Amino acid sequence: GQNIDQPTEMTATEGAIVQINCTYQTSGFNGLFWYQQHAGEAPTFLSYNVLDGLEEKGRFSSFLSRSKGYSYLLLKELQMKDSASYLCAVLDSNYQLIWGAGTKLIIKP
Amino acid sequence: DVKVTQSSRYLVKRTGEKVFLECVQDMDHENMFWYRQDPGLGLRLIYFSYDVKMKEKGDIPEGYSVSREKKERFSLILESASTNQTSMYLCASRPRDEYNEQFFGPGTRLTVL
Repeated sequence: GQNIDQPTEMTATEGAIVQINCTYQTSGFNGLFWYQQHAGEAPTFLSYNVLDGLEEKGRFSSFLSRSKGYSYLLLKELQMKDSASYLCAVLDSNYQLIWGAGTKLIIKP
Repeated sequence: DVKVTQSSRYLVKRTGEKVFLECVQDMDHENMFWYRQDPGLGLRLIYFSYDVKMKEKGDIPEGYSVSREKKERFSLILESASTNQTSMYLCASRPRDEYNEQFFGPGTRLTVL
């Protein structure tokens, strides 16, 4: 079966750094997406990785290791507005998106 | 500014009623999707469409049907609503290329009593 694992919830402090992990077991791999979803709102796109390595976009970075079936989202200089759920999704061999359950990130002052 | 809109933010229906959820996108995207989102579960794909009048079943199509008569509009139909269909329903659209991001609507929170 296809499976994506993320921690259910994480807590971090304003100004700090947090790493949200995602491990996956899917039938094939055509890339991995990260989305952000604030409570009661639509998911919005953060990043797409298909090659191994780290991609940086401002305060957010995303890392991928295809051999390990592993990705992480790194958030630096945390702000209160970063409190949200972070969704990991893998594009499988049939080009279907397989979604993780999401990680709820709580930022404390 | 790209936009996906859904007909209602909140909807309350009774068991057995026929329910229509409408989604409209203004980006001329070929692909459109209907998901449901429940606590503790990932987004689950109900149906998707890659062109006008085309539809494909997703992972949980039972109890649902869809209609895509125009490129910009994708409707989800609950033929006879049941309490286990109480959920958040999200519509999304995407250009043809699978490597592109999906753009989501604001969601419809449906409660079936």
